[in-house]
Amino acid sequence: GEDVEQSLFLSVREGDSSVINCTYTDSSSTYLYWYKQEPGAGLQLLTYIFSNMDMKQDQRLTVLLNKKDKHLSLRIADTQTGDSAIYFCAEKGGGYQKVTFGTGTKLQVIP
Amino acid sequence: DSGVTQTPKHLITATGQRVTLRCSPRSGDLSVYWYQQSLDQGLQFLIQYYNGEERAKGNILERFSAQQFPDLHSELNLSSLELGDSALYFCASSVGREETQYFGPGTRLLVL
Repeated sequence: GEDVEQSLFLSVREGDSSVINCTYTDSSSTYLYWYKQEPGAGLQLLTYIFSNMDMKQDQRLTVLLNKKDKHLSLRIADTQTGDSAIYFCAEKGGGYQKVTFGTGTKLQVIP
Repeated sequence: DSGVTQTPKHLITATGQRVTLRCSPRSGDLSVYWYQQSLDQGLQFLIQYYNGEERAKGNILERFSAQQFPDLHSELNLSSLELGDSALYFCASSVGREETQYFGPGTRLLVL
């Protein structure tokens, strides 16, 4: 089946930029997503990108997609302590395909 | 608030028992998805319903079953519970069969 991989942990200082990376195997991906999960809460959709886009920016969030390398990244500018959470990358294939989630990256923001 | 509601928030039960988790999708959403999140397995897709019909199956055990009712709410039934079934169970919904999913707050199940 399809696979989505992320590093497990990232630690940054408050005010710095965070970059969370994700790789996937599905060459027919149509949508790629970033979700945020705070402790004890559900997954909150942060942003998504269609596979024919290279970049999407939304306030402090920038998503970069390298379709050739099947690499997706999420950059959070001016990272705040409230950004501390687990970030999940997910991808959806073409036609009807279920969404495959990565294992999540725990972002720790140090004051 | 995603608009997806799940009840109960917490559930504590014993091995061998049966429980029912309930999900109400966002208004207008026809698809409901169920996921299990545990520490060692990550987020696992269980099953999807679209407008009352089963649409896709993931890693759902035979002891588990689900359905979606005419009012589009869904229930996930877990039976013959084992200790390893302790996890967070999430419901998500989307407008159609393929659109972006919005997650509920989850039900935390503890099997003792």
